[in-house]
Amino acid sequence: GDSVTQMEGPVTLSEEAFLTINCTYTATGYPSLFWYVQYPGEGLQLLLKATKADDKGSNKGFEATYRKETTSFHLEKGSVQVSDSAVYFCALSYSNYQLIWGAGTKLIIKP
Amino acid sequence: DVKVTQSSRYLVKRTGEKVFLECVQDMDHENMFWYRQDPGLGLRLIYFSYDVKMKEKGDIPEGYSVSREKKERFSLILESASTNQTSMYLCASSFPGQGANGYTFGSGTRLTVV
Repeated sequence: GDSVTQMEGPVTLSEEAFLTINCTYTATGYPSLFWYVQYPGEGLQLLLKATKADDKGSNKGFEATYRKETTSFHLEKGSVQVSDSAVYFCALSYSNYQLIWGAGTKLIIKP
Repeated sequence: DVKVTQSSRYLVKRTGEKVFLECVQDMDHENMFWYRQDPGLGLRLIYFSYDVKMKEKGDIPEGYSVSREKKERFSLILESASTNQTSMYLCASSFPGQGANGYTFGSGTRLTVV
């Protein structure tokens, strides 16, 4: 079945460092791909999405490119801030009811 | 500002109690979902509903039931709370076929069963 695999955390970086959080997926069709972010004590918010191969989603300095050939959707940011500390979830969907979720990656940014 | 509102941020209940978690959305969404979130396990779908009075089991429905009497409200019921149901519960909603646009989540209810 379809699945999403994320790198295990926590990922700990210093402020202004470059961020990559890896996400790979297994899919039988051509899903849409998402990154969600969960700040401490909060629910999840949609961070960015891509609906077809080679699309790039971007928001708040974060980017991810839908790579069909490597079945990946890695999240990147050029210079992280303490306020980016959160849990990041990768997910896929076929425009039906359900999202299929990765396990989440906790990001800790130190000043 | 569109919202999904969960009635409680924190709840503490005793083993064996019947527990109601309420979720209300103001976006006229047809689909609503209940997830639980546990460290290392990510999000697991408990139940979802695609219309009033309709419900479907998710991946972990055991020990839970749901009610959707009105479009805007989706309730999760723990018939007899147990300590292994201590968790963060997240409600979400979406339009039908809006998988490509994702879900809107509430802020979560952290339930502790003692």
